[in-house]
Amino acid sequence: GAVVSQHPSRVICKSGTSVKIECRSLDFQATTMFWYRQFPKKSLMLMATSNEGSKATYEQGVEKDKFLINHASLTLSTLTVTSAHPEDSSFYICSARVWGLAGGGGYNEQFFGPGTRLTVL
Amino acid sequence: DAKTTQPTSMDCAEGRAANLPCNHSTISGNEYVYWYRQIHSQGPQYIIHGLKNNETNEMASLIITEDRKSSTLILPHATLRDTAVYYCIVRVVQGAQKLVFGQGTRLTINP
Repeated sequence: GAVVSQHPSRVICKSGTSVKIECRSLDFQATTMFWYRQFPKKSLMLMATSNEGSKATYEQGVEKDKFLINHASLTLSTLTVTSAHPEDSSFYICSARVWGLAGGGGYNEQFFGPGTRLTVL
Repeated sequence: DAKTTQPTSMDCAEGRAANLPCNHSTISGNEYVYWYRQIHSQGPQYIIHGLKNNETNEMASLIITEDRKSSTLILPHATLRDTAVYYCIVRVVQGAQKLVFGQGTRLTINP
């Protein structure tokens, strides 16, 4: 399957600082990427949909000025947590959409990165 | 997207078949059933998907009832590495459809 990477895998920062997380599609181009957040023992919650060359679409309740998303190329999307606070500590996961036509049918799949664990002190 | 209902947790003995049920009684005609799993502290992993026919791949089998209101994911010979949270999601295939994750089933494979 398609490979998606995230960097860093783990980050610890002080309260008030900004943290950038990268999501890369390694062997395919992704016009659409998604960012999720997951708290301990909870399910994944979609934060935003990132579209290459355009503004991200945020889910209800997600502050777009706090969680800045940039999808500058077909293989890279970044999530910047600005002025991070302890309540932003979470597991952040991205996915990249692969779609196209093959074998007479279409496909439209998402492949997930390994996640980034953010701890804000 | 249609809502799914799964048991919170299940246990299975190593080497036996693990059968994970999912109810999706409000599924629409153009919605597929997808299964993902998430091993602790990792990103979700795609397992299998189907529309109405049963499907099988190297990881699992998917059995969808004739009325499509429920399905079962089967791991034929569970191993300890299959311990994970399994998510059943229904969605259309067209467009940049976002995946909506429910609480999933926490499957524990016991030695």
